[in-house]
Amino acid sequence: AQKITQTQPGMFVQEKEAVTLDCTYDTSDPSYGLFWYKQPSSGEMIFLIYQGSYDQQNATEGRYSLNFQKARKSANLVISASQLGDSAMYFCAMREGLRSWGKLQFGAGTQVVVTP
Amino acid sequence: EAGVAQSPRYKIIEKRQSVAFWCNPISGHATLYWYQQILGQGPKLLIQFQNNGVVDDSQLPKDRFSAERLKGVDSTLKIQPAKLEDSAVYLCASSLSKDQPQHFGDGTRLSIL
Repeated sequence: AQKITQTQPGMFVQEKEAVTLDCTYDTSDPSYGLFWYKQPSSGEMIFLIYQGSYDQQNATEGRYSLNFQKARKSANLVISASQLGDSAMYFCAMREGLRSWGKLQFGAGTQVVVTP
Repeated sequence: EAGVAQSPRYKIIEKRQSVAFWCNPISGHATLYWYQQILGQGPKLLIQFQNNGVVDDSQLPKDRFSAERLKGVDSTLKIQPAKLEDSAVYLCASSLSKDQPQHFGDGTRLSIL
């Protein structure tokens, strides 16, 4: 069964606008972590933001924030004030804390294109 | 700090040939991961090392893939013999421990002809 679902294969967003990337997850483990990574066309995976299942507040890192809705099992990434350099593939990933040795399970990704 | 180093960056081989990839993790990182990323998909874990021991290789096709991390630092991933469906990017990642964020290398793009 798919553990991480990203329903948006691709999105266009105008420069300086905000964009929300959807991510839903499936786990019965009470302890887990959610990650977002950015993958530009050059191929490297860049860590953006992390949310732990027990964290009370939504994670923020600069222009990135994570809208964590535990009951809905969703962890959407919000990028504010988009820049041309934000054009990339974005992956949501989950680590199940009690059942794994840290293995990340990735969604299929969302391609973001920022237009001038 | 230096990032995760991988080589080669690109590799083209014919099916049934063998190939090896090398990874040097960030200094001090005990946990090392190899992922396979097929075009249009997210990465999939092949094998995970904690120091020089394997802790998860449940998704490694062991009939053709092998990996080692002999001294708990560098790692190599080998495919022998390669099949067409092995065409992918092979990503190496490392972390201080299993609970810390993983840092990825630039990957090796493998094409099988």
